[in-house]
Amino acid sequence: GQSLEQPSEVTAVEGAIVQINCTYQTSGFYGLSWYQQHDGGAPTFLSYNALDGLEETGRFSSFLSRSDSYGYLLLQELQMKDSASYFCAVRGGGNKLTFGTGTQLKVEL
Amino acid sequence: SQTIHQWPATLVQPVGSPLSLECTVEGTSNPNLYWYRQAAGRGLQLLFYSVGIGQISSEVPQNLSASRPQDRQFILSSKKLLLSDSGFYLCAWLRGEANTGELFFGEGSRLTVL
Repeated sequence: GQSLEQPSEVTAVEGAIVQINCTYQTSGFYGLSWYQQHDGGAPTFLSYNALDGLEETGRFSSFLSRSDSYGYLLLQELQMKDSASYFCAVRGGGNKLTFGTGTQLKVEL
Repeated sequence: SQTIHQWPATLVQPVGSPLSLECTVEGTSNPNLYWYRQAAGRGLQLLFYSVGIGQISSEVPQNLSASRPQDRQFILSSKKLLLSDSGFYLCAWLRGEANTGELFFGEGSRLTVL
């Protein structure tokens, strides 16, 4: 089976940097994705890591360590609009994608 | 352009009634399709996924079923709804030919079972 763990909630101030961690246990692994979801909306894709290392896309970066079964999403220069839920997801064998429990990020002034 | 649509957007159903949610994808062929359910304030639970016509993988034993009658159509059904079936249902397809983790979601269907 597959399981993913994330912190349930993170709070940070505007302009700061925040890191959301994800640890996973999976029977098959191809890569780790990150998604953002605002209240009432559908999730939107942020990034995907298939190989170890850091991927940067604007203010957001994502990191993967396959040997540690660990990844994180790094959000820089936080803005109020970044307040949302963030999910990591594992792509496993057979194109199965399993999501973590989600982290609610609150950005404060 | 590639798009995904699901309907209805909102529905309120009595316990024991049937359910049918439909999802269609445009602008791609032989997509990998997924149904997820999200309870209020919770994560996304994978219900079913399909890699091709007539091929359905079920993740959670329950009173729901899925079908894929056409290449770009994915249907979620139930013969008799339970209170616990309430939630936000999301259809998604896996973008890209190579190894990718990019799911593109439909707008969602919010189901309330009374």
